[in-house]
Amino acid sequence: SQTIHQWPATLVQPVGSPLSLECTVEGTSNPNLYWYRQAAGRGLQLLFYSVGIGQISSEVPQNLSASRPQDRQFILSSKKLLLSDSGFYLCAWSVGDSRQPQHFGDGTRLSIL
Amino acid sequence: SQQGEEDPQALSIQEGENATMNCSYKTSINNLQWYRQNSGRGLVHLILIRSNEREKHSGRLRVTLDTSKKSSSLLITASRAADTASYFCATDGHLGYSTLTFGKGTMLLVSP
Repeated sequence: SQTIHQWPATLVQPVGSPLSLECTVEGTSNPNLYWYRQAAGRGLQLLFYSVGIGQISSEVPQNLSASRPQDRQFILSSKKLLLSDSGFYLCAWSVGDSRQPQHFGDGTRLSIL
Repeated sequence: SQQGEEDPQALSIQEGENATMNCSYKTSINNLQWYRQNSGRGLVHLILIRSNEREKHSGRLRVTLDTSKKSSSLLITASRAADTASYFCATDGHLGYSTLTFGKGTMLLVSP
């Protein structure tokens, strides 16, 4: 069966510090991978999307970046965090097109101080 | 930009009652999905309805889709305290062929 791992679960970082959040998927090949951010009481904002190794699409401009060094690994990074980067970050995977469901990890709660 | 908008934003009911949540969207879609999110957790896919379908059932869930009104509803029958969660609709995204655009969600509280 397929599983998705996302870590860390919670993270507290000072403003201006770097960030690296990692997501890995097991049990499937060549998945579509996604990074979302969810502000408190809000919906999901798609940040990045990848259909294959080295292929990253960005939904909104920001000081975050994403990389996909391996087929089932998706990393969200920042060189210098801003206060506005606080939120709940979710990784997800799917296969095929939008007729297929997305499967989510349990998220990382990021607090910027 | 948000495609789907859920209504109401929050809903509080007693166990055993039915809960109905609505979703409206703006542009034509190929399908619409409903997800559930427990507090502090990731989203879980509940059900998908295609644009050529009008109604779909899964256990205690019933989803309807009216493409002429660009709206969908999710009905949870005989609700339980364990149904307490946020519920989101999602429609075809515009970034890529597999992306989805999520609404802001309805927070459902089911009291024992």
